[in-house]
Amino acid sequence: SQQGEEDPQALSIQEGENATMNCSYKTSINNLQWYRQNSGRGLVHLILIRSNEREKHSGRLRVTLDTSKKSSSLLITASRAADTASYFCATSRGWPQAGTALIFGKGTTLSVSS
Amino acid sequence: DTGVSQDPRHKITKRGQNVTFRCDPISEHNRLYWYRQTLGQGPEFLTYFQNEAQLEKSRLLSDRFSAERPKGSFSTLEIQRTEQGDSAMYLCASSFWERGATQETQYFGPGTRLLVL
Repeated sequence: SQQGEEDPQALSIQEGENATMNCSYKTSINNLQWYRQNSGRGLVHLILIRSNEREKHSGRLRVTLDTSKKSSSLLITASRAADTASYFCATSRGWPQAGTALIFGKGTTLSVSS
Repeated sequence: DTGVSQDPRHKITKRGQNVTFRCDPISEHNRLYWYRQTLGQGPEFLTYFQNEAQLEKSRLLSDRFSAERPKGSFSTLEIQRTEQGDSAMYLCASSFWERGATQETQYFGPGTRLLVL
């Protein structure tokens, strides 16, 4: 079963606008990761935020984590057509010693038009 | 440096046939994962290996599914007596983990898309 849900399921914006996606999860986590998937392709790792971090930046990406609300958000600033993809949050159930099978949400499909 | 590769990229088969997929992880990665993704859903964990040992299998991995990683390098996933419900994208991921690490990043291959007619 899937850990949580991304919101919204689909998002359409214009180039240059910001895109915000939210993710909720159900159980305690070690860390939370965001992945991007272009249509019919594999997943690309974007960013990892640990459970003791509240915010993290990577280029045009900003991720926040609120463990009290069991939620995370991904902000893509100044979006480009190339950002068109599906975005997934993923949590790992336990510590690396136990193996970190990722649990994914259903994803947010982002469409950026020029 | 090559990433994770998977072969074949697409497979069409008839119900009841057996299929085998291969995954070549990033060199020196000691962990290898298999996931399945159906349309409109996120990937779901199937199984993982640390070196050649298969350490965990999901309930999704029925007895028709078998995975191996004989020398701790490439891995194969075989589905016997395929069913239409097996149609999905099968994703492989690899990672390097060492004792004491507190986080792990999985790198995904392009996937094998299976269609069972």
